Amino acid sequence: DVKVTQSSRYLVKRTGEKVFLECVQDMDHENMFWYRQDPGLGLRLIYFSYDVKMKEKGDIPEGYSVSREKKERFSLILESASTNQTSRYLCASSSPRVSNQPQHFGDGTRLSIL
Amino acid sequence: SQQGEEDPQALSIQEGENATMNCSYKTSINNLQWYRQNSGRGLVHLILIRSNEREKHSGRLRVTLDTSKKSSSLLITASRAADTASYFCATDGKGSGNTGKLIFGQGTTLQVKP
Repeated sequence: DVKVTQSSRYLVKRTGEKVFLECVQDMDHENMFWYRQDPGLGLRLIYFSYDVKMKEKGDIPEGYSVSREKKERFSLILESASTNQTSRYLCASSSPRVSNQPQHFGDGTRLSIL
Repeated sequence: SQQGEEDPQALSIQEGENATMNCSYKTSINNLQWYRQNSGRGLVHLILIRSNEREKHSGRLRVTLDTSKKSSSLLITASRAADTASYFCATDGKGSGNTGKLIFGQGTTLQVKP
C-alpha cells in the first residue's frame, strides 16, 4: 500500500514565522501535490511537482513556495506565515505509470497561525 | 479554479437507506474520480469512471457519468454508519497529460444514523 506521511498532524506557529510542512511518499511516485482544505471551499491546489526539482503553480500559490530535492519528499514552505494561512494542508502523490493515476493522500496537517 | 460543484453539501440518512450525491463540472475530461474522507484523515480513492463510460459499479457504489450534462452521481446503496464521511468528486482535464493534476469539488458531507 502507498503510504504518504506528513510530518505533523497539528502545528501552531506565529505570524511572520517561516513554516515548513514536509511530505514523504514511499511508492516512487513521480507526481506530488500540496492542497489546502477550508470549510466550504473543498481542496484547492497550491503547488504540484511532476519530477525532482520540477514544480508548477496551482490555483493559489501566493504566499507559498515548494521544494522537491528528492523524489520521495515534497516540502511546502510558508515564507512569512499570516493568519489567513490557517488551514488544513494535505499532501498527495500519484504516478503516470499507474492506470488513471489515483492520488494517494496523507492525513493532513492542521496549521494554526496566531 | 473550482471545477466541480457537489450537491447536496450535506446529507443525513438512516442506516439501510441509499445515499445519492451529485457532481457537476465545467470542462472536458478524460475521467472523473470519487474520493472519500473520514473526519481528520486524508482522502481515499473510491472509484474512477472514464469519459467513454456511462456507469460503473464497485461493491455498494454505483457511479454514473453524463458528459453531455457534465455531471456525475455517486450512489451508495444500503448505507451503514461507517459510510459517514465526506465525499469528493475530482476531474482531470484533457490537457493535464502525465501531471496527474485533479480538480476537486467542494464535497458532500454524509451522515448515516444508526
